[in-house]
Amino acid sequence: GQNIDQPTEMTATEGAIVQINCTYQTSGFNGLFWYQQHAGEAPTFLSYNVLDGLEEKGRFSSFLSRSKGYSYLLLKELQMKDSASYRCAVRGDNAGNMLTFGGGTRLMVKP
Amino acid sequence: KAGVTQTPRYLIKTRGQQVTLSCSPISGHRSVSWYQQTPGQGLQFLFEYFSETQRNKGNFPGRFSGRQFSNSRSEMNVSTLELGDSALYLCASTYNGNNEQFFGPGTRLTVL
Repeated sequence: GQNIDQPTEMTATEGAIVQINCTYQTSGFNGLFWYQQHAGEAPTFLSYNVLDGLEEKGRFSSFLSRSKGYSYLLLKELQMKDSASYRCAVRGDNAGNMLTFGGGTRLMVKP
Repeated sequence: KAGVTQTPRYLIKTRGQQVTLSCSPISGHRSVSWYQQTPGQGLQFLFEYFSETQRNKGNFPGRFSGRQFSNSRSEMNVSTLELGDSALYLCASTYNGNNEQFFGPGTRLTVL
């Protein structure tokens, strides 16, 4: 089975940096994903990690440590539009695209 | 390129009825996955179809079923609806070999 944990809520200030952590315990692992979801909208893909290390993509970076079952999403130069839910998801080692999502972290960016 | 489309966008049903939801993936995408999103349980995987075959299945009762057609369009069906089936049903399509799943806008199902 899969168990994925992330904080429920976080608050940060516009222009600052925030790190959203995700820990997972899974029976298999074939990649970790981060998705952003604004209220009332569909999730949108942010990043994918399958090897240890940091993946950088503009203001967003994602880190993975497979031995620790740990990932984080780093958001720099926060903007008001970054207020959203951020969900990490793990793909198991079965074939296909089955993702198990964490409960999501609701990020509020304040001026 | 058009995105993932889902119909209908909103649906109201009563307990005991059945419902069919439709998803059209992005052109060229052969994998379609379905998820249920509720405030209490978050995003939960229902099933995935690839080339008209169910490739993965989540932990949902047999009342939830799906299928995929030769043009990759997919439908999911829920029979004998229960109040707890009220949720946002999302489908996502993937180009085989890629990692990004593109989500549709969802169908909001309310069971009264």
